[in-house]
Amino acid sequence: NAGVTQTPKFQVLKTGQSMTLQCAQDMNHEYMSWYRQDPGMGLRLIHYSVGAGITDQGEVPNGYNVSRSTTEDFPLRLLSAAPSQTSVYFCASSGGYGVSTFGSGTRLTVV
Amino acid sequence: KQEVTQIPAALSVPEGENLVLNCSFTDSAIYNLQWFRQDPGKGLTSLLLIQSSQREQTSGRLNASLDKSSGRSTLYIAASQPGDSATYLCAFNAGGTSYGKLTFGQGTILTVHP
Repeated sequence: NAGVTQTPKFQVLKTGQSMTLQCAQDMNHEYMSWYRQDPGMGLRLIHYSVGAGITDQGEVPNGYNVSRSTTEDFPLRLLSAAPSQTSVYFCASSGGYGVSTFGSGTRLTVV
Repeated sequence: KQEVTQIPAALSVPEGENLVLNCSFTDSAIYNLQWFRQDPGKGLTSLLLIQSSQREQTSGRLNASLDKSSGRSTLYIAASQPGDSATYLCAFNAGGTSYGKLTFGQGTILTVHP
């Protein structure tokens, strides 16, 4: 049972480039979410999904897009990378009992 | 807006001490509260989850309590060990339409020295 799998683990982008951070879970959880973690700011919610086809914005959604075509996958797209998006990104999923399971993270640097 | 505060921000203790980490939240409409551990450069590992109907949960040397009326949760670590050194995060879940959307505290950095 892999839990929540994030790829890639590390990425360096140039300003203006686009990319997709992948997230997959094998626990059949309805709820999936993306967070970013920055020093002094803690973990902040970017986007959120309550099921396939349903997404919603979190606290810091600007510059990011998401879609949820299947229960298992919840990719995060950076449309035009900016240095302010340098961060560590975590994907999480939650099931009916409310326990959230996190992936191991993607460390993104935008230069 | 929900705010979650963790005190202290950092804690350094000798091995064997019992210690308490504090988490406070401003919104009493809580569904559950989850405590996580994060090792440097790693992801978050769930330690304990307390539902709003519960007062405490225990796992090994860890005990977490919840007081909704005062907006507080505490994580008690008994007989601390160097392997307990990590950042401890609490996360608030309001439930309802916000189910699964966690609001995190800033964390407590714990160092247990031999």
